[in-house]
Amino acid sequence: DIVVTQSPDSLAVSLGERATINCKSSQSVFYSSNNKNYLAWYQQKAGQPPKVLIYWASTRESGVPDRFSGSGSGTDFTLTINSLQAEDAAVYYCQQYYSSPQTFGQGTKLEIK
Amino acid sequence: QVQVVESGGGVVQPGRSLRLSCAASGFTFRKYGMHWARQAPGKGLEWVAVISHDGTNIHYGDSVKGRFTISRDNSNNMLYLQMNSLRAEDTAVYYCGKGGTDYGSGIYNWLDPWGQGTLVVVSS
Repeated sequence: DIVVTQSPDSLAVSLGERATINCKSSQSVFYSSNNKNYLAWYQQKAGQPPKVLIYWASTRESGVPDRFSGSGSGTDFTLTINSLQAEDAAVYYCQQYYSSPQTFGQGTKLEIK
Repeated sequence: QVQVVESGGGVVQPGRSLRLSCAASGFTFRKYGMHWARQAPGKGLEWVAVISHDGTNIHYGDSVKGRFTISRDNSNNMLYLQMNSLRAEDTAVYYCGKGGTDYGSGIYNWLDPWGQGTLVVVSS
């Protein structure tokens, strides 16, 4: 099974600043035949289901503000949130869908200072 | 709009069974793989199972393999999760999720959207 590890577990960032969350998979999730990384990022606000932000590691879901961006390839990935807004307070998860069982990271709690 | 709505949760004793349902609407259900995921109270997300668009390809998470069965009814736009031999550690909110794209079998996909979830409590 592919183990997905996020860092940090939590972070507090000031309004208007940048937040960076990392995700590392125990095996590469890059599929060379289609040149895609099988990794997604989700945002879960309190009391709500998760919502996808990014898929294929760097493709932003329709309607997601462009201050959210994903990068990385192979085993190391990053979610960057620029110009933090109060509504960005949430838990963020990465997920690999390269192989089954598909796996989520443990989550990163983002607090806005 | 694209929507998935779970139902069937409740309180069940250890060792018993429960069947969850997920009603899909707003998209061509038979074209997409479908997932179940869960979240124990105060914990992170755990992927449970996926079924291909035509039901021929199914994968499970390690903790539910052999006890849970995912299935679908493409005629009625329904997804199911049959849960047998339930344990206390199966207590969670169970989410249904549509696969993010209709590419290929639909197995290897992100979940988009997720339903609101249905709570399963396994307790004597």
